[in-house]
Amino acid sequence: EIVLTQSPGTLSLSPGERATLSCRASQSVSSSYLAWYQQKPGQAPRLLIYDASTRATGIPDRFSGSDSGTDFTLTISRLEPEDFAVYYCQQYGSSPLTFGGGTKVEIK
Amino acid sequence: QLQLQESGPGLVKPSETLSLSCIVSGGSISSSSYFWGWIRQSPGKGLEWIGSISYSGNTYYNPSLKTRVTISVDTSKNQFSLKVSSLTAADTAVYYCARLGPGSDPWGQGIQVTVSS
Repeated sequence: EIVLTQSPGTLSLSPGERATLSCRASQSVSSSYLAWYQQKPGQAPRLLIYDASTRATGIPDRFSGSDSGTDFTLTISRLEPEDFAVYYCQQYGSSPLTFGGGTKVEIK
Repeated sequence: QLQLQESGPGLVKPSETLSLSCIVSGGSISSSSYFWGWIRQSPGKGLEWIGSISYSGNTYYNPSLKTRVTISVDTSKNQFSLKVSSLTAADTAVYYCARLGPGSDPWGQGIQVTVSS
């Protein structure tokens, strides 16, 4: 099973600032099959990025994803008020599908 | 616009079997491009993939739950279902259904399931 470790646990930033979230895999993720999700309280997760760097339909271009080996990064170039939420990574390259523990982006 | 909606009981007793359904609207479940899956979320274990099924009935389960889980599909009703047996308090969670492809999208709104006597 691939374990995904997200860091930091909490990121305290101000609107307009840049957010950099990390997701480290315990082993290689097949074909960069990694996704990022945003979740707000009381809502289901929302797909932001798939295949490590492809934005899902309707996702603003301030969200971007990248990968380097077993390290994956989600970057939010300029935080908007609606971006404060919890973010999860997920790998779907091998079974079982697994999720990271999440990074909370909170208002500083 | 594709939408998924979970239905089922919110409270079940320990040792009993949970049965949930996911109705798919705005599109056909009979697409060879996607799988359909169940994911749960609890404060203690975070997001956990339970299992997936294709429209033709091929299933994949999380090994941690495999002995207690059954997922089935009914293409005539455009829905798929989840059964989890031998419930304990550790199965208390929000249960989501989702379309699985490159990434999981969309998700249902989720249903809170509490296991308690």
